[in-house]
Amino acid sequence: EPEVTQTPSHQVTQMGQEVILRCVPISNHLYFYWYRQILGQKVEFLVSFYNNEISEKSEIFDDQFSVERPDGSNFTLKIRSTKLEDSAMYFCASYLGTPYGYTFGSGTRLTVV
Amino acid sequence: AQSVTQPDIHITVSEGASLELRCNYSYGATPYLFWYVQSPGQGLQLLLKYFSGDTLVQGIKGFEAEFKRSQSSFNLRKPSVHWSDAAEYFCAVGARGSSNTGKLIFGQGTTLQVKP
Repeated sequence: EPEVTQTPSHQVTQMGQEVILRCVPISNHLYFYWYRQILGQKVEFLVSFYNNEISEKSEIFDDQFSVERPDGSNFTLKIRSTKLEDSAMYFCASYLGTPYGYTFGSGTRLTVV
Repeated sequence: AQSVTQPDIHITVSEGASLELRCNYSYGATPYLFWYVQSPGQGLQLLLKYFSGDTLVQGIKGFEAEFKRSQSSFNLRKPSVHWSDAAEYFCAVGARGSSNTGKLIFGQGTTLQVKP
């Protein structure tokens, strides 16, 4: 079964540093997403990406965040200057459209110290 | 605005007992509904989904869920729980319509503990 691949699985970074989280969505999917889950809390929507542009972003997704799909394969989330509160599990997801389900990656655990 | 409520934060059942996890949603029309399971430190695995048609949906691992429009609910059930079912369960709702971005709104999650 096709998978969404996320790398790295765990990243530790110092506060103020830039991080890039990488995802390889399922190749024929059309919609791509980033979600985050702070430890012990629910999964929160960050951003959706369709047709090579952001289609929706949440309040969490401020100017410190950006997404790119540089080569038609990878889908990246960049955090420019990390804060302690950015520590969370970040999930990438891709979606072909109805009636299919969304496929999530295994996540990247980001720890900001 | 869309929202999802999972009233039970933590549930403990004995192995072999039946299970029902509750999910209520708030949405202006009939949404797309999903249940995901997350084992500790792992990603989200789709258990089942509802888009339309039969309101009783069968999923993987012996789970099923029933969409009840009148109650705005999509409860997850399993007739006999196995120890390996211990995990966190998330209900999620997705919007319909060509203008929507397809984002999912998740509930808070229910932690299932299984007693031997």
